[in-house]
Amino acid sequence: QVQLVQSGAEVKKPGASVKVSCKASGYTFTSYGISWVRQAPGQGLEWMGWISAYNGNTNYAQKLQGRVTMTTDTSTSTAYMELRSLRSDDTAVYYCAREDSSGYYHDWGQGTLVTVSS
Amino acid sequence: DVQLTQSPSFLSASVGDRVTITCRASQGISSYLAWYQQKPGKAPKLLIYAASTLQSGVPSRFSGSGSGTEFTLTISSLQPEDFATYYCQQLNSYPLTFGGGTKVEIK
Repeated sequence: QVQLVQSGAEVKKPGASVKVSCKASGYTFTSYGISWVRQAPGQGLEWMGWISAYNGNTNYAQKLQGRVTMTTDTSTSTAYMELRSLRSDDTAVYYCAREDSSGYYHDWGQGTLVTVSS
Repeated sequence: DVQLTQSPSFLSASVGDRVTITCRASQGISSYLAWYQQKPGKAPKLLIYAASTLQSGVPSRFSGSGSGTEFTLTISSLQPEDFATYYCQQLNSYPLTFGGGTKVEIK
């Protein structure tokens, strides 16, 4: 079955960077895109962006442009999300999600808590 | 950007009740809408996609309808395991956006 396993919780200082991984299994990695969604404590879901695992094309949320980079490593079926210049309001649980051919998120990772605090 | 407005934001209901949640889009999104259920500490779970298609394994008491700018999620008979927060998401255009969520609590 499809599994997305994310890296563990991180604590970062303001201004630092974080890189979260999402290791996929149970399907052909390059056949589907991966999206990243985050959720601040007690808040709703926020779409961060998307990467094609086939060719590396990306589409980022405007508010994160310049601070976020999404990449994939097809040799290990792993997607990565790096967020730079962290601020306290980047504190959130970060999820990866696999898209189906129509873009719907059928499968999700377990989430990675990133805490930004001085 | 397409704004999605969910109503109500909070709903108190009893087991067995029929529950309806509305999601309104700021512009037409055809049928490119999904509904997710999220329980505390867990990742969202896809319930409905393409506005009205039930995801495999999801109980038939869940149904979705609508197109264009107005959509509904209906739970025909609320069960104890359905108490959760529900989100709509539009996939018509980037940036993809989510509604603010509807928390369904036990009356």
